Amino acid sequence: DTEVTQTPKHLVMGMTNKKSLKCEQHMGHRAMYWYKQKAKKPPELMFVYSYEKLSINESVPSRFSPECPNSSLLNLHLHALQPEDSALYLCASSQADLSGTGELFFGEGSRLTVL
Amino acid sequence: LAKTTQPISMDSYEGQEVNITCSHNNIATNDYITWYQQFPSQGPRFIIQGYKTKVTNEVASLFIPADRKSSTLSLPRVSLSDTAVYYCLVGEFTGGFKTIFGAGTRLFVKA
Repeated sequence: DTEVTQTPKHLVMGMTNKKSLKCEQHMGHRAMYWYKQKAKKPPELMFVYSYEKLSINESVPSRFSPECPNSSLLNLHLHALQPEDSALYLCASSQADLSGTGELFFGEGSRLTVL
Repeated sequence: LAKTTQPISMDSYEGQEVNITCSHNNIATNDYITWYQQFPSQGPRFIIQGYKTKVTNEVASLFIPADRKSSTLSLPRVSLSDTAVYYCLVGEFTGGFKTIFGAGTRLFVKA
């Protein structure tokens, strides 16, 4: 199984809502990532978890709250978002060290629209 | 993190070889060079990764000169389905692969 599964595929939320994006992988990867991608722009790194601990936070606003409950799951909790946060949110996973190829496996993304 | 520079777009015809060059003048000793392909509304897909010299797999080759300040992705005999955005990434493993995506190159393959 070389898949990264993201749910939901589409999400529409108001600025006062609280919602979560979920990501799951069963490749035994111990590094998991959240990226944000706006239309016709490259993905922007948000967070990296390594062995279930947050190792990289690219100065993301606190209205985005990541969580890694176990080695297979990664969540992104959303609260009080702004319309400019509307984007495709991509989850990825990889091995956490150089024993493998360093390949990031990406999910299909969750398209978020904030009204 | 090393910044990467790629051509914004390229056109090619089916059956041709396509070479996309990426500049990364500030690459660090521990950085690896990775290329990804992305189709619209899909996540990026890994193509190839290298550290130095030449790497080849079933879909592409990656050429890295000795100074590592640039790299060239070579796609042999492209087809229409290779129309996509190609990203060059440079980064190191620090408890996960910290990488920054460059602006990407939009490749358009024509019949």
